[in-house]
Order: sequence, then C-alpha cells, then structure tokens
Amino acid sequence: DTAVSQTPKYLVTQMGNDKSIKCEQNLGHDTMYWYKQDSKKFLKIMFSYNNKELIINETVPNRFSPKSPDKAHLNLHINSLELGDSAVYFCASSQGAVPGELFFGEGSRLTVL
Amino acid sequence: QQQVKQSPQSLIVQKGGISIINCAYENTAFDYFPWYQQFPGKGPALLIAIRPDVSEKKEGRFTISFNKSAKQFSLHIMDSQPGDSATYFCAAGRTGTASKLTFGTGTRLQVTL
Repeated sequence: DTAVSQTPKYLVTQMGNDKSIKCEQNLGHDTMYWYKQDSKKFLKIMFSYNNKELIINETVPNRFSPKSPDKAHLNLHINSLELGDSAVYFCASSQGAVPGELFFGEGSRLTVL
Repeated sequence: QQQVKQSPQSLIVQKGGISIINCAYENTAFDYFPWYQQFPGKGPALLIAIRPDVSEKKEGRFTISFNKSAKQFSLHIMDSQPGDSATYFCAAGRTGTASKLTFGTGTRLQVTL
C-alpha cells in the first residue's frame, strides 16, 4: 500500500492549458505539502496544509491553486501553464510540521511544450 | 537567512570509501537538520536527522556531524556501496506549526566498483 500517492505520474501538455495533480496519503498525517523540483534537482516548498488549513504559501504565481478537501488529500491545479512550470512536483505529508519526517510521493513530472 | 548551502554538487567515490557531503546554514533559529536520500524516479526519503543539542549522530554506516558554532553539518557515509548511489539533500528547519524545511541544492553521489 503506497503511503503517499500522486496522479498522474507524467503530464505532457501545451502552453496555456490547465492541469491538475492529485495527492492522497494513507498515513493518517495532518500536514501535507507541495514541493517543486526543477531540472537542477532543487527542491522548493510551494504550499503546506495543516488539517485542511493553508499554513504555508510561498511566493508562487497565483496560477497555482492548491485545494485540500480533507486532511488525507491535497490537490494542485495549475492554470495557463508556462514553459517554466516544467518540473517534477512532489506531494509530501508529515505528522505535525517541523521537525516531523516528510514522506514524499514519487512525483509528477510535468512537461510544458 | 533561509539559505542552506550544500557541497559538493557531485561526488564519485570508490566502493568501500568514505563519502562526505557538507552543508552550511545561516539562520541560527534552525533546530532540526535532516538528510534526505533520493533515487532516480523516486521521492526523497529521510535518511538521518540531528538536533543541535548533540554534535554527532550515527545510524549504521551513516553519520551526521554537527558544528553549531560554525553553523555547519555534514553527512559521512562509511564503507560506501554502489547501492548508495543517489542524490543527497541536507535540510534545515525551525520547530513550529507553520515552519518548513529549507533544502540544500543536492549532491549526486556515484559509488563505483
């Protein structure tokens, strides 16, 4: 049973399109995150939710909108995709925040053409 | 002040050798320092973590050394094995509900036969 699962694993789309990535965790954790990993492998936090409440919102274009319908799910919707959005997006979860261990999903590779 | 600097960017070590990766941080409020290991196509996974009240932590072949006054910490992998070939990320965070982990830029380790 996968602890943190993301779908889809791969997305290839044209500039200007809208896409969504879904994430689910079955660990019973109360905090979920979206991280972006660029082509240089740099990992940067985008958003964090604690019990469905947004607690971290980094400097991310407002084309990116997270939604947490319940504490086991965190989705990411991206409007008007740009070339620079190409990256691997990781969902993660933890019980509480720092210093809790982050459990990452396997990532969703987004390619914008 | 949120930056975590990691070096080297890449490292090639012979099987049985010692791999050493270094990180430096600026924010003295950081009180949690984990290392994550990432294999290709997978999400990062926690390897080992340390709090600043100890100067060293060892788990199997992996050791974190921590120097609070220098604001530096390092990962040592003893008896490096080809299966250790992965990208390693240091991170730093401050305890708190809305806190986050700031990741280093990653070190790609290759262990050769």
